[in-house]
Amino acid sequence: AAGVIQSPRHLIKEKRETATLKCYPIPRHDTVYWYQQGPGQDPQFLISFYEKMQSDKGSIPDRFSAQQFSDYHSELNMSSLELGDSALYFCASSLGQGNSYEQYFGPGTRLTVT
Amino acid sequence: EDKVVQSPLSLVVHEGDTVTLNCSYEVTNFRSLLWYKQEKKAPTFLFMLTSSGIEKKSGRLSSILDKKELFSILNITATQTGDSAVYLCAVGGGGTSYGKLTFGQGTILTVHP
Repeated sequence: AAGVIQSPRHLIKEKRETATLKCYPIPRHDTVYWYQQGPGQDPQFLISFYEKMQSDKGSIPDRFSAQQFSDYHSELNMSSLELGDSALYFCASSLGQGNSYEQYFGPGTRLTVT
Repeated sequence: EDKVVQSPLSLVVHEGDTVTLNCSYEVTNFRSLLWYKQEKKAPTFLFMLTSSGIEKKSGRLSSILDKKELFSILNITATQTGDSAVYLCAVGGGGTSYGKLTFGQGTILTVHP
């Protein structure tokens, strides 16, 4: 069965640079969530989109922005990168929004900021 | 503030043992509780629980939710080395949330042969 696709899988950037992470949800899923998982930590919710509109916002820094496109894929744009942004970034998708729907996670993008 | 607490934080057992992982939560507007297995990559979905007292089962894994006492347990019987992983509990809900999950810190399970 098709799963959530994320690209790139690994990314190395320098401080103050910009990064763009992409997420392709499971086919027919209309809701996308972004999570950040630091080393040894649990995933922290950043932001979510339902039908191309932002539906929920968590602890996402102002330096980050995201959007969902007409084909339901999503991109997380990160600017002025800091060392503390080094983490695993997961995208999850579900069919429908709200917490009665199972969220399936992608393989993650490991971002290293040097 | 929404909170999910898992216990124990780590557990070491031998193959064939049975383990019980605990998850307690304080979340406004609770909607669902999910269990995930994470093995150095993406969390893999195990169960979603929305109703109290109804056990969900998949092979050697089972889980149940108690919405009155605000906790859930995940049982794994006849453990195998392949069960070694971090088990994450996540709760959906909170304020006007439309789907964000609040995760616990995870239980690291190590199964020795």
